[in-house]
Amino acid sequence: DAGITQSPRHKVTETGTPVTLRCHQTENHRYMYWYRQDPGHGLRLIHYSYGVKDTDKGEVSDGYSVSRSKTEDFLLTLESATSSQTSVYFCAIRGGSGPRGETQYFGPGTRLLVL
Amino acid sequence: AQSVSQHNHHVILSEAASLELGCNYSYGGTVNLFWYVQYPGQHLQLLLKYFSGDPLVKGIKGFEAEFIKSKFSFNLRKPSVQWSDTAEYFCAVKSDNYGQNFVFGPGTRLSVLP
Repeated sequence: DAGITQSPRHKVTETGTPVTLRCHQTENHRYMYWYRQDPGHGLRLIHYSYGVKDTDKGEVSDGYSVSRSKTEDFLLTLESATSSQTSVYFCAIRGGSGPRGETQYFGPGTRLLVL
Repeated sequence: AQSVSQHNHHVILSEAASLELGCNYSYGGTVNLFWYVQYPGQHLQLLLKYFSGDPLVKGIKGFEAEFIKSKFSFNLRKPSVQWSDTAEYFCAVKSDNYGQNFVFGPGTRLSVLP
């Protein structure tokens, strides 16, 4: 277990409302990632971070923004939620040096339903 | 386009049957390869990984995978599956040619019948 928590674990919201998901890690990893998981698509990268205030876009970043003001927290924000953003969201970290540094470890996921 | 493909969308086996799940990637350069498993309602867990050296990699729970560079493949195998192996399996690739990110295949759902 890589010490990753996500909150909330479940959320139901309405179209057009802002939503923020939080990923928290306890092991001081530099790299953090946000993915969404949808049937038939596997995991798709939304955004990632390679340090405090250092972030970049992934494959499906439209409609999402992120922030990382502290090493341990990586926030994903849906500025104005749409039904197409109904999904399961996973946070992941990548370790530091050595073999563990090239492996991703995942949080428990957040199930988001946009009505 | 660069991608990771998994040959089977859904595999159904009886207990004690042998398993092989295919994974192919289209990236060049040095690659790190992974198999993850996701049990129903849970998050992804690492099964095994290949970085370098022996192309036959052994993982947890009796799983193994073989890296065949010439075929751009990293197939997952288990000689005898159990009902508890029912899960979704994801292949993932990290390539030096693709920066710091990992790319996942679409997943293969395995159902093992008791």
